[in-house]
Amino acid sequence: DAKTTQPPSMDCAEGRAANLPCNHSTISGNEYVYWYRQIHSQGPQYIIHGLKNNETNEMASLIITEDRKSSTLILPHATLRDTAVYYCIVRVDGGAQKLVFGQGTRLTINP
Amino acid sequence: DTAVSQTPKYLVTQMGNDKSIKCEQNLGHDTMYWYKQDSKKFLKIMFSYNNKELIINETVPNRFSPKSPDKAHLNLHINSLELGDSAVYFCASSQVRGSYEQYFGPGTRLTVT
Repeated sequence: DAKTTQPPSMDCAEGRAANLPCNHSTISGNEYVYWYRQIHSQGPQYIIHGLKNNETNEMASLIITEDRKSSTLILPHATLRDTAVYYCIVRVDGGAQKLVFGQGTRLTINP
Repeated sequence: DTAVSQTPKYLVTQMGNDKSIKCEQNLGHDTMYWYKQDSKKFLKIMFSYNNKELIINETVPNRFSPKSPDKAHLNLHINSLELGDSAVYFCASSQVRGSYEQYFGPGTRLTVT
């Protein structure tokens, strides 16, 4: 699985959009970009994933650059409950695949 | 209804003891996993079972033995506990076909004294 690079921490004001970047310059053609988050003391939670098109669901939007070497997770209206560690993971889809977690980005939403 | 549940939530025990952590999922998934999160917060895969068959076994001491009595359960038994085993253990499940997101349990905090 390709390696990902994320900033260790970010801050965002409540109500604003939180934009979390991820670099994955060695991503291969059949690898998807996944985002999970871990709220303090809880199990990781799936947010969204995509291959090359932008994706949106009820939680967030995922913007993947045309060359697929980087992506941005967007939380459109961040709330205090979005404070968590966000993990960007690149992996081949299909089958029983393990998730390889990096250090992630600790996002703090400030009131 | 809880999708992935683990028992116990907290486990405090002494070195050398044997303990088990239980995991159950009611999502109808056919694949289950154990992850370990150490004190530095790194999350690492330990094992994965698909239809009761072991398919992922990372470099884990053989004191750790997973057991899957059926597709909905994956238990983790640890023999001769050591201080370094102190961590939070997360169980997860996923479907092999279709969407592949993994659903995690609440975790079991194991403290070895």
